[in-house]
Amino acid sequence: NAGVTQTPKFQVLKTGQSMTLQCAQDMNHEYMSWYRQDPGMGLRLIHYSVGAGITDQGEVPNGYNVSRSTTEDFPLRLLSAAPSQTSVYFCATRGQTYEQYFGPGTRLTVT
Amino acid sequence: GENVEQHPSTLSVQEGDSAVIKCTYSDSASNYFPWYKQELGKGPQLIIDIRSNVGEKKDQRIAVTLNKTAKHFSLHITETQPEDSAVYFCAAIERGADGLTFGKGTHLIIQP
Repeated sequence: NAGVTQTPKFQVLKTGQSMTLQCAQDMNHEYMSWYRQDPGMGLRLIHYSVGAGITDQGEVPNGYNVSRSTTEDFPLRLLSAAPSQTSVYFCATRGQTYEQYFGPGTRLTVT
Repeated sequence: GENVEQHPSTLSVQEGDSAVIKCTYSDSASNYFPWYKQELGKGPQLIIDIRSNVGEKKDQRIAVTLNKTAKHFSLHITETQPEDSAVYFCAAIERGADGLTFGKGTHLIIQP
């Protein structure tokens, strides 16, 4: 039982490049979400999904796209990376209760 | 929307002493308050949580208290140990809300 997994662990992009951050969970949780963590800012919600085929925006959605075709996977896409997207990205899941479980994170640098 | 303030930003205590981290929230409809511990290079790990119908919850050396009237909640760690050194985040969520609103974190340093 791996819980929440994220790939890659580290990534460097040039401005304007695109990439997809992967998130997978094996807990059969319906709710999945993406947060970004910046120094001194805590974690801020980017996008979330309450089940396959359903996604919605969080606090800081601009520059990011998501889709949810399966219960297990919730990828986060950067279509045209900008230096302001340099951050650590965390995927999280939640079951029927409020408890959220976070993945190990992806550290992204955009130059 | 919800706003969570967390204090202090850095807390240094002697090993064996107690540590207290405090958070305030703005939305009286918030009803769930978790605390996360984040070690360097890792994701946040849920260590304890409390719901709005409970005033206090304990789990071994850690406890959380909630004052709904004042809209604040606190994390208490007793008999601190070196492995308690980490960044701690509080958060709040209202029933039906999109996701957690986090405080900005407290860097807890345990001095040997």
